[in-house]
Amino acid sequence: ELVLTQSPATLSLSPGESATLSCRASQSVSSYVAWYQQKPGQAPRLLIYDAYNRATGIPGRFSGSGFGTDFTLTISSLEPEDFAVYYCQHRDNWTFGQGTRVEVK
Amino acid sequence: QVQLQESGPGLVKPSETLSLTCSVSGGSVTNYFWGWIRQPPGKGLQWISYMFYGGTTEYNPSLKSRVTMSIDTSKNQFSLNLSSVTAADTALYFCARESRDSFDVWGQGTMVTVSS
Repeated sequence: ELVLTQSPATLSLSPGESATLSCRASQSVSSYVAWYQQKPGQAPRLLIYDAYNRATGIPGRFSGSGFGTDFTLTISSLEPEDFAVYYCQHRDNWTFGQGTRVEVK
Repeated sequence: QVQLQESGPGLVKPSETLSLTCSVSGGSVTNYFWGWIRQPPGKGLQWISYMFYGGTTEYNPSLKSRVTMSIDTSKNQFSLNLSSVTAADTALYFCARESRDSFDVWGQGTMVTVSS
């Protein structure tokens, strides 16, 4: 059974800073990892698919990387609207990570 | 632009069956794969089911014995039935469209509470 482990659980940063979120898979998953952003009371929004492809309408400050078991979501310069919870996900049983909360420091 | 809207009762009694519908607008339900995902209050996302018109269906192994997903092409919608519900099934339920091994379009979600 695939497990996706996200770290850290919480990231405390200021607007303008860079955020680096990690997603580690319990077994190799090639590059088929997606990333979502979820704000309170809203549905998740797809940010990245296939590890590094930005979804339609997603700003260039969001980027994804990784292959195999280690994946990263980077937000290059945090905007106020970027403070939210982020989830990684893989096609294998549509597994989701437990989420990383990016909060205002 | 495809839009999704969940509907169904907000309150279900324990041991009964939870039934939800997702209405698809702006596109045909026959052209994509579709899924259901839920989120218990204050917790993370859990995938429930996935289906393509024409037969391909997948269920979360932990829920498989209680879940049925179906598609109604005449109404351009798809549905979820979850039987024998308990308080642990209380959650915000989302329907979503699958594309390129991810869910790219989501409904707003509908809250379902299991309580007598």
